[in-house]
Amino acid sequence: DAGITQSPRHKVTETGTPVTLRCHQTENHRYMYWYRQDPGHGLRLIHYSYGVKDTDKGEVSDGYSVSRSKTEDFLLTLESATSSQTSVYFCAISGGAGANVLTFGAGSRLTVL
Amino acid sequence: QKEVEQDPGPLSVPEGAIVSLNCTYSNSAFQYFMWYRQYSRKGPELLMYTYSSGNKEDGRFTAQVDKSSKYISLFIRDSQPSDSATYLCAMASMNSGYSTLTFGKGTMLLVSP
Repeated sequence: DAGITQSPRHKVTETGTPVTLRCHQTENHRYMYWYRQDPGHGLRLIHYSYGVKDTDKGEVSDGYSVSRSKTEDFLLTLESATSSQTSVYFCAISGGAGANVLTFGAGSRLTVL
Repeated sequence: QKEVEQDPGPLSVPEGAIVSLNCTYSNSAFQYFMWYRQYSRKGPELLMYTYSSGNKEDGRFTAQVDKSSKYISLFIRDSQPSDSATYLCAMASMNSGYSTLTFGKGTMLLVSP
């Protein structure tokens, strides 16, 4: 997954604890996205960013917040994790001539007990 | 009716078979069509990207778009065990600089030696 690094790759946490997932890109792309992927639901957009400090909600944004203080970093925060947020989270980037083309990271597998 | 419908499979075929994967959609505003391949525990990777109706070929893969029927297909010729993965169709309505793709839920393909 050239140019995109997600951390942590795996995390187990307890209900009610805060969790932050990090996405780091080296492509200098303007747009960054957070998706979650669940069986039976496919990929669903949580939040996206169209520039530093510019973010917007996706279709499943409740319970999540994001921040982008630098072009290369996009953080996804679960303020108080719930079991329904157990999922695989993917960061993606797009930009330049291929703005409609997303490049995905390797994913972060989160389990909330 | 969901915006994008995709049969989840699994679709099991023997090595060398021709595979046909399909998606239907309801939103006539979709203009950009993509196929992503996702191996188990990996992020999706772009396989094919098309804009207009018709066929686009890349090696053993052919993407077909029929906007009048709101139907897209991905054909894989001479399928290989390494093609075993989940295939996601994705669509976007406009190149506004950022991309809010609508994904199908994915079809799992199993190619047996």
